Amino acid sequence: AQKVTQAQTEISVVEKEDVTLDCVYETRDTTYYLFWYKQPPSGELVFLIRRNSFDEQNEISGRYSWNFQKSTSSFNFTITASQVVDSAVYFCALSAIDMNTGFQKLVFGTGTRLLVSP
Amino acid sequence: DGGITQSPKYLFRKEGQNVTLSCEQNLNHDAMYWYRQDPGQGLRLIYYSQIVNDFQKGDIAEGYSVSREKKESFPLTVTSAQKNPTAFYLCASKATVNTGELFFGEGSRLTVL
Repeated sequence: AQKVTQAQTEISVVEKEDVTLDCVYETRDTTYYLFWYKQPPSGELVFLIRRNSFDEQNEISGRYSWNFQKSTSSFNFTITASQVVDSAVYFCALSAIDMNTGFQKLVFGTGTRLLVSP
Repeated sequence: DGGITQSPKYLFRKEGQNVTLSCEQNLNHDAMYWYRQDPGQGLRLIYYSQIVNDFQKGDIAEGYSVSREKKESFPLTVTSAQKNPTAFYLCASKATVNTGELFFGEGSRLTVL
């Protein structure tokens, strides 16, 4: 069965520090997608990135970067020079095919709460 | 603006009462989903729908029911059979069933007294 593990429950940093959020996944699918979402205090999940299993290139978007390594089944997320506005819960997710219906659903990790203090 | 609207944002109910949470999207998305979020447990899938008049159970469907009579709407009913209904409920949609990312609403927090 598909599974996503975010071992870090909560991380506290001081503004301007770099921080890495870990994500480890399990799947038997040969084609899959990995996602990161941000959940600010308002509650809505905000999409950050989607990565195809065939594309292992790292990606950078401003202060955000993602490191995808199939060999270790990891998709880690790094925030450089963290800011107070980065405080949120971050979820890693994996696409999974429902064996009964054949349709894609997302399996989420338990989330990592990031607290950035001034 | 296009998006997903969930209502109400906060809801209090007495034990044993059914309650319906609304989810409306104007993104013209085919697929819609309901997730439940509990502290420390992440998001768990309740039901999803790929097309009007069709829906499938997710991982924790017991005690819940849904309908999909219109493409834009996917209401969730929390029935009295749900043993622990107090939670944060998130509705999401996706353009197509097998590709793309989910777009989420702002959630509904249900508290059963």
